[in-house]
Amino acid sequence: NAGVTQTPKFQVLKTGQSMTLQCAQDMNHNSMYWYRQDPGMGLRLIYYSASEGTTDKGEVPNGYNVSRLNKREFSLRLESAAPSQTSVYFCASRIGQGAHYEQYFGPGTRLTVT
Amino acid sequence: AQSVTQPDIHITVSEGASLELRCNYSYGATPYLFWYVQSPGQGLQLLLKYFSGDTLVQGIKGFEAEFKRSQSSFNLRKPSVHWSDAAEYFCAVGQTGANNLFFGTGTRLTVIP
Repeated sequence: NAGVTQTPKFQVLKTGQSMTLQCAQDMNHNSMYWYRQDPGMGLRLIYYSASEGTTDKGEVPNGYNVSRLNKREFSLRLESAAPSQTSVYFCASRIGQGAHYEQYFGPGTRLTVT
Repeated sequence: AQSVTQPDIHITVSEGASLELRCNYSYGATPYLFWYVQSPGQGLQLLLKYFSGDTLVQGIKGFEAEFKRSQSSFNLRKPSVHWSDAAEYFCAVGQTGANNLFFGTGTRLTVIP
Protein backbone atom coordinates (compact mmCIF):
# COMPACT_ATOMS: atom_id res chain seq x y z
CA ASN A 1 0.00 0.00 0.00
CA ALA A 2 1.96 3.01 -1.30
CA GLY A 3 -0.66 5.65 -0.44
CA VAL A 4 -0.36 8.71 -2.67
CA THR A 5 2.51 8.76 -5.15
CA GLN A 6 3.68 11.64 -7.32
CA THR A 7 6.05 11.85 -10.26
CA PRO A 8 8.41 13.44 -10.89
CA LYS A 9 9.99 14.51 -7.59
CA PHE A 10 11.90 17.38 -9.15
CA GLN A 11 11.59 19.24 -12.43
CA VAL A 12 13.18 22.28 -14.03
CA LEU A 13 11.36 23.92 -16.92
CA LYS A 14 12.07 26.89 -19.13
CA THR A 15 9.41 29.56 -19.47
CA GLY A 16 6.83 28.48 -22.04
CA GLN A 17 7.46 24.76 -21.77
CA SER A 18 4.69 22.38 -20.83
CA MET A 19 4.60 19.41 -18.51
CA THR A 20 2.25 17.09 -16.67
CA LEU A 21 2.55 16.17 -13.01
CA GLN A 22 1.25 12.71 -12.25
CA CYS A 23 -0.53 11.56 -9.12
CA ALA A 24 -1.91 8.16 -8.18
CA GLN A 25 -3.50 6.74 -5.04
CA ASP A 26 -4.14 3.11 -4.13
CA MET A 27 -6.53 3.68 -1.23
CA ASN A 28 -9.72 3.58 -3.31
CA HIS A 29 -10.42 7.21 -2.43
CA ASN A 30 -13.08 9.12 -4.29
CA SER A 31 -11.74 12.67 -3.96
CA MET A 32 -8.39 13.97 -5.14
CA TYR A 33 -6.71 17.38 -4.92
CA TRP A 34 -3.83 19.43 -6.24
CA TYR A 35 -2.23 22.08 -4.02
CA ARG A 36 0.71 24.37 -4.42
CA GLN A 37 2.88 25.37 -1.49
CA ASP A 38 4.76 28.65 -1.46
CA PRO A 39 6.80 30.13 1.40
CA GLY A 40 4.63 32.01 3.88
CA MET A 41 1.41 31.13 2.06
CA GLY A 42 0.58 27.66 3.27
CA LEU A 43 -1.15 25.34 0.83
CA ARG A 44 -3.47 26.72 -1.79
CA LEU A 45 -5.90 24.57 -3.71
CA ILE A 46 -5.46 24.55 -7.49
CA TYR A 47 -8.07 22.00 -8.61
CA TYR A 48 -9.92 19.13 -7.11
CA SER A 49 -11.93 16.15 -8.21
CA ALA A 50 -14.76 15.18 -5.89
CA SER A 51 -15.27 11.89 -7.71
CA GLU A 52 -14.24 10.10 -10.87
CA GLY A 53 -15.41 12.09 -13.87
CA THR A 54 -15.66 15.47 -12.15
CA THR A 55 -13.18 18.30 -11.66
CA ASP A 56 -13.56 21.77 -10.17
CA LYS A 57 -11.45 24.86 -9.78
CA GLY A 58 -9.92 25.78 -6.48
CA GLU A 59 -8.42 29.02 -5.25
CA VAL A 60 -5.60 29.40 -7.82
CA PRO A 61 -6.52 27.54 -11.07
CA ASN A 62 -5.13 29.96 -13.65
CA GLY A 63 -2.41 28.46 -15.82
CA TYR A 64 -3.29 24.86 -14.94
CA ASN A 65 -5.49 22.09 -16.24
CA VAL A 66 -6.34 18.74 -14.70
CA SER A 67 -7.53 15.33 -15.78
CA ARG A 68 -9.12 12.68 -13.60
CA LEU A 69 -8.00 9.76 -15.70
CA ASN A 70 -9.71 7.13 -13.55
CA LYS A 71 -10.42 6.64 -9.87
CA ARG A 72 -6.73 6.21 -9.06
CA GLU A 73 -5.09 8.93 -11.12
CA PHE A 74 -5.32 12.72 -11.19
CA SER A 75 -2.87 14.69 -13.30
CA LEU A 76 -1.99 18.38 -13.34
CA ARG A 77 -0.85 20.03 -16.55
CA LEU A 78 1.02 23.28 -17.08
CA GLU A 79 0.50 24.26 -20.71
CA SER A 80 2.94 27.17 -20.80
CA ALA A 81 5.03 27.38 -17.66
CA ALA A 82 5.78 30.75 -16.07
CA PRO A 83 8.28 31.65 -13.33
CA SER A 84 5.31 32.40 -11.03
CA GLN A 85 4.53 28.68 -11.15
CA THR A 86 7.78 27.82 -9.40
CA SER A 87 6.49 26.01 -6.34
CA VAL A 88 6.13 22.69 -4.58
CA TYR A 89 3.07 20.80 -5.77
CA PHE A 90 1.22 18.33 -3.59
CA CYS A 91 -1.41 15.85 -4.56
CA ALA A 92 -3.83 14.62 -1.91
CA SER A 93 -6.77 12.27 -1.69
CA ARG A 94 -9.54 11.45 0.72
CA ILE A 95 -12.17 8.80 0.90
CA GLY A 96 -15.21 11.01 0.49
CA GLN A 97 -16.63 14.49 0.47
CA GLY A 98 -17.57 14.75 4.12
CA ALA A 99 -15.77 17.63 5.80
CA HIS A 100 -14.57 15.39 8.63
CA TYR A 101 -12.49 13.20 6.37
CA GLU A 102 -8.78 13.87 6.46
CA GLN A 103 -6.67 14.22 3.36
CA TYR A 104 -3.68 12.04 2.61
CA PHE A 105 -0.76 13.72 0.89
CA GLY A 106 1.88 12.65 -1.58
CA PRO A 107 5.57 13.54 -1.15
CA GLY A 108 5.41 16.52 -3.50
CA THR A 109 6.96 17.69 -6.76
CA ARG A 110 9.42 20.57 -6.60
CA LEU A 111 9.09 22.58 -9.80
CA THR A 112 11.39 25.39 -10.88
CA VAL A 113 10.58 27.53 -13.91
CA THR A 114 13.45 29.62 -15.24
CA ALA B 1 -15.56 33.34 4.66
CA GLN B 2 -13.58 30.75 6.49
CA SER B 3 -9.95 31.37 7.37
CA VAL B 4 -7.21 29.88 9.48
CA THR B 5 -4.58 31.93 11.27
CA GLN B 6 -1.34 30.64 12.68
CA PRO B 7 0.14 33.72 14.30
CA ASP B 8 3.60 32.28 14.92
CA ILE B 9 5.75 31.92 11.81
CA HIS B 10 8.70 30.37 13.64
CA ILE B 11 9.12 28.97 17.16
CA THR B 12 12.29 27.73 18.80
CA VAL B 13 12.17 25.47 21.85
CA SER B 14 14.72 23.47 23.77
CA GLU B 15 14.56 19.72 23.68
CA GLY B 16 12.49 18.49 26.60
CA ALA B 17 10.55 21.73 26.92
CA SER B 18 6.81 21.97 26.42
CA LEU B 19 5.30 23.25 23.20
CA GLU B 20 2.14 25.06 22.22
CA LEU B 21 1.39 26.06 18.64
CA ARG B 22 -1.49 28.42 18.11
CA CYS B 23 -4.29 28.16 15.59
CA ASN B 24 -7.35 30.37 15.27
CA TYR B 25 -10.14 29.86 12.78
CA SER B 26 -12.97 31.91 11.46
CA TYR B 27 -16.06 29.92 10.61
CA GLY B 28 -19.69 30.27 11.62
CA ALA B 29 -20.67 26.68 12.29
CA THR B 30 -18.81 23.91 14.08
CA PRO B 31 -15.63 23.40 12.14
CA TYR B 32 -13.72 20.27 11.41
CA LEU B 33 -10.15 20.90 12.54
CA PHE B 34 -6.89 19.21 11.65
CA TRP B 35 -3.23 19.48 12.47
CA TYR B 36 -0.66 18.26 9.98
CA VAL B 37 3.12 18.01 10.24
CA GLN B 38 5.55 18.37 7.37
CA SER B 39 9.14 17.21 7.79
CA PRO B 40 11.73 18.77 5.46
CA GLY B 41 11.29 17.56 1.90
CA GLN B 42 8.26 15.46 2.78
CA GLY B 43 4.53 15.57 2.31
CA LEU B 44 2.04 16.37 5.06
CA GLN B 45 1.15 13.82 7.69
CA LEU B 46 -1.97 14.01 9.84
CA LEU B 47 -1.27 14.45 13.55
CA LEU B 48 -4.83 14.66 14.83
CA LYS B 49 -8.30 15.87 14.03
CA TYR B 50 -11.43 17.13 15.77
CA PHE B 51 -14.99 17.08 14.54
CA SER B 52 -17.18 16.38 17.56
CA GLY B 53 -17.21 15.12 21.13
CA ASP B 54 -14.40 15.57 23.60
CA THR B 55 -12.71 18.90 22.98
CA LEU B 56 -9.28 17.52 23.91
CA VAL B 57 -8.02 15.21 21.20
CA GLN B 58 -4.99 12.99 21.26
CA GLY B 59 -2.86 12.42 18.22
CA ILE B 60 0.22 10.59 17.11
CA LYS B 61 3.75 11.24 18.37
CA GLY B 62 2.49 12.43 21.77
CA PHE B 63 0.66 15.51 20.47
CA GLU B 64 -2.70 16.74 21.66
CA ALA B 65 -4.93 19.67 20.76
CA GLU B 66 -7.81 21.40 22.48
CA PHE B 67 -10.80 22.89 20.72
CA LYS B 68 -12.05 26.05 22.40
CA ARG B 69 -15.18 27.33 20.75
CA SER B 70 -15.27 30.53 22.80
CA GLN B 71 -11.80 31.47 21.57
CA SER B 72 -12.14 30.01 18.06
CA SER B 73 -8.90 28.19 18.73
CA PHE B 74 -7.42 24.75 18.22
CA ASN B 75 -3.95 24.89 19.75
CA LEU B 76 -1.51 22.04 19.44
CA ARG B 77 0.50 20.96 22.49
CA LYS B 78 3.21 18.56 23.47
CA PRO B 79 4.54 18.25 27.03
CA SER B 80 8.12 17.38 26.10
CA VAL B 81 9.58 18.11 22.67
CA HIS B 82 12.06 15.79 20.97
CA TRP B 83 14.63 16.83 18.38
CA SER B 84 12.72 14.79 15.80
CA ASP B 85 9.72 17.11 16.21
CA ALA B 86 11.52 19.84 14.27
CA ALA B 87 9.26 20.39 11.27
CA GLU B 88 6.58 22.68 9.92
CA TYR B 89 3.11 22.41 11.38
CA PHE B 90 -0.10 23.30 9.60
CA CYS B 91 -3.55 23.83 11.03
CA ALA B 92 -6.46 23.25 8.65
CA VAL B 93 -10.23 23.59 8.78
CA GLY B 94 -12.93 21.83 6.82
CA GLN B 95 -16.49 22.94 6.57
CA THR B 96 -19.73 21.25 5.66
CA GLY B 97 -20.49 21.72 1.99
CA ALA B 98 -16.94 22.47 0.96
CA ASN B 99 -14.87 19.76 -0.59
CA ASN B 100 -11.44 20.98 0.44
CA LEU B 101 -9.50 21.95 3.51
CA PHE B 102 -8.35 25.50 4.23
CA PHE B 103 -4.82 25.66 5.54
CA GLY B 104 -3.00 28.14 7.73
CA THR B 105 0.35 29.49 6.64
CA GLY B 106 2.24 27.15 8.94
CA THR B 107 4.55 27.38 11.96
CA ARG B 108 8.12 26.23 11.64
CA LEU B 109 9.45 24.55 14.78
CA THR B 110 13.15 24.49 15.58
CA VAL B 111 14.35 22.30 18.47
CA ILE B 112 17.67 23.16 20.09
CA PRO B 113 19.68 20.72 22.22
